Amino acid sequence: EAQVTQNPRYLITVTGKKLTVTCSQNMNHEYMSWYRQDPGLGLRQIYYSMNVEVTDKGDVPEGYKVSRKEKRNFPLILESPSPNQTSLYFCASSLEHRGNTEAFFGQGTRLTVV
Amino acid sequence: GIQVEQSPPDLILQEGANSTLRCNFSDSVNNLQWFHQNPWGQLINLFYIPSGTKQNGRLSATTVATERYSLLYISSSQTTDSGVYFCALGGGADGLTFGKGTHLIIQP
Repeated sequence: EAQVTQNPRYLITVTGKKLTVTCSQNMNHEYMSWYRQDPGLGLRQIYYSMNVEVTDKGDVPEGYKVSRKEKRNFPLILESPSPNQTSLYFCASSLEHRGNTEAFFGQGTRLTVV
Repeated sequence: GIQVEQSPPDLILQEGANSTLRCNFSDSVNNLQWFHQNPWGQLINLFYIPSGTKQNGRLSATTVATERYSLLYISSSQTTDSGVYFCALGGGADGLTFGKGTHLIIQP
């Protein structure tokens, strides 16, 4: 089944403790991205990657890192999480970075930083 | 950037009713998608519809790109249709721009 898989689905952590949210897609998509969703602010793009070893900042990149060593995986790294990073996170992928391809989203990761 | 407006913001219906959700956008685009966010937070792809009309069961969608709007139709609503419906446009390197959504509640 074609899908984008995120792990974990739920995570509660403490301020400053490094964490990684994994994202994997099995559709051989070139383009992958991360979004966060917050009440009143909607979905905002954090980082994106147009292909292996090619990543760039989205609208809200502060406090996050990403890497794209393999085509299928695009982990989101929080080196020192803070409470304002409490949010619902989504990974997405699409065939290519041009705007005329359908995007598919992972199940979401609900992160709470205390 | 692209402006996306969805209406109505909230909608409460009885089971079995029909509904029409609207998405207006400010610029011509080559990517428009409709999503359903269920009560568990998952974003479910409904339609990829930059133009034309598509149908999938009780749901259908129409995009009139020249007039910059898209409509999502839900017929014979069920309680499982409850959730938030998003229209999203653009894509490309800058990613999708989402509307604020229509919060739909279907009462039994």
